[in-house]
Amino acid sequence: GNSVTQMEGPVTLSEEAFLTINCTYTATGYPSLFWYVQYPGEGLQLLLKATKADDKGSNKGFEATYRKETTSFHLEKGSVQVSDSAVYFCALSDSGGGADGLTFGKGTHLIIQP
Amino acid sequence: SAVISQKPSRDICQRGTSLTIQCQVDSQVTMMFWYRQQPGQSLTLIATANQGSEATYESGFVIDKFPISRPNLTFSTLTVSNMSPEDSSIYLCSVEANEKLFFGSGTQLSVL
Repeated sequence: GNSVTQMEGPVTLSEEAFLTINCTYTATGYPSLFWYVQYPGEGLQLLLKATKADDKGSNKGFEATYRKETTSFHLEKGSVQVSDSAVYFCALSDSGGGADGLTFGKGTHLIIQP
Repeated sequence: SAVISQKPSRDICQRGTSLTIQCQVDSQVTMMFWYRQQPGQSLTLIATANQGSEATYESGFVIDKFPISRPNLTFSTLTVSNMSPEDSSIYLCSVEANEKLFFGSGTQLSVL
């Protein structure tokens, strides 16, 4: 079956540091890949996505590239801010992103210190 | 976009009781979903709820334990029945709109 593995947190960084949150997946076929973010007290929201190999999703300074050869979709940001503190979920879908086909990772809690 | 109001945000319940979680959306949506996140685990889909039909449950989840209502296109409830400490989790509702998924802020349930 499908599975998503992401680095465990919490990850604590100083403001303006470089961020990488690792995500690898196991899936049959060619899934779409997603990063969701949950800010404190809010619901999950889509951060970025990529639907095929070598695609790069980007949003709010975050980027992730769909690497089929390494089955990875690592999340990166060049300079983090305190407001980026949140829980980040990597996910895959083999049904175009519909919720009935989503498989989530366990989430990575990111803490940015001023 | 879709704005989802989910309540309660948290509750502490006694073993053997039931809790109903409500999910209200600010627009009409066809599909609503209920997820569970147990401590240290990933989000797991419980069931899909379409208006006018019975909910479709994922493997490992049954209607007697997690009855779901979907009376109209903007509202759904999930009941956690005959609770045990193993039901302590975060429960999330989600909707699909404009080819995107939107999530409620979750209900943190603790069962004593």
